[in-house]
Amino acid sequence: QQQVKQSPQSLIVQKGGISIINCAYENTAFDYFPWYQQFPGKGPALLIAIRPDVSEKKEGRFTISFNKSAKQFSLHIMDSQPGDSATYFCAASQETSGSRLTFGEGTQLTVNP
Amino acid sequence: DAGVIQSPRHEVTEMGQEVTLRCKPISGHNSLFWYRQTMMRGLELLIYFNNNVPIDDSGMPEDRFSAKMPNASFSTLKIQPSEPRDSAVYFCASSLKGIGNQPQHFGDGTRLSIL
Repeated sequence: QQQVKQSPQSLIVQKGGISIINCAYENTAFDYFPWYQQFPGKGPALLIAIRPDVSEKKEGRFTISFNKSAKQFSLHIMDSQPGDSATYFCAASQETSGSRLTFGEGTQLTVNP
Repeated sequence: DAGVIQSPRHEVTEMGQEVTLRCKPISGHNSLFWYRQTMMRGLELLIYFNNNVPIDDSGMPEDRFSAKMPNASFSTLKIQPSEPRDSAVYFCASSLKGIGNQPQHFGDGTRLSIL
């Protein structure tokens, strides 16, 4: 019940295209859903996060869509750029667990020039 | 502002040796997390501390692993004795525990290779 399932495992997109990464969770007590971006040799860095009281959050080219009834959320990267090539992790946590994050398996995104 | 600082960045040692990984969290942060990242298992939480006190160590794989946080600015993760299957990238992260979920800030990790 603590798992977060992420797909696809890898994704190749052309420059200017839309990258979409999906995640699903089981634990309805989760109340915080961040996305992390990781470049080779670096630690994950927070990209964008959403709480279940909204269905969408947008920051620049990055948008999280959240479907509470389906227990799914997704990351959309508009106008994808080669510099977006990285591994993306979705995660979930609940406030009462002290911000302990449960991570998805990760998606390796490659944006071709 | 300095981020989370981990040392060493790389460690290569022989099986059976003791390994100590170090972490300095962001100043003012009162929660600290140790993760392990492998291709097979992804990012796994090993242990986390609030105000220097271990809260949940259920992710620590076995008794060979131990973690301490003697003060707010320093933590160690120790493996004794080390085994080849411990080879992974180990990350430390810190956050500010307060009202609501707070983002975790990760260090750049220690790449550990046990021969």
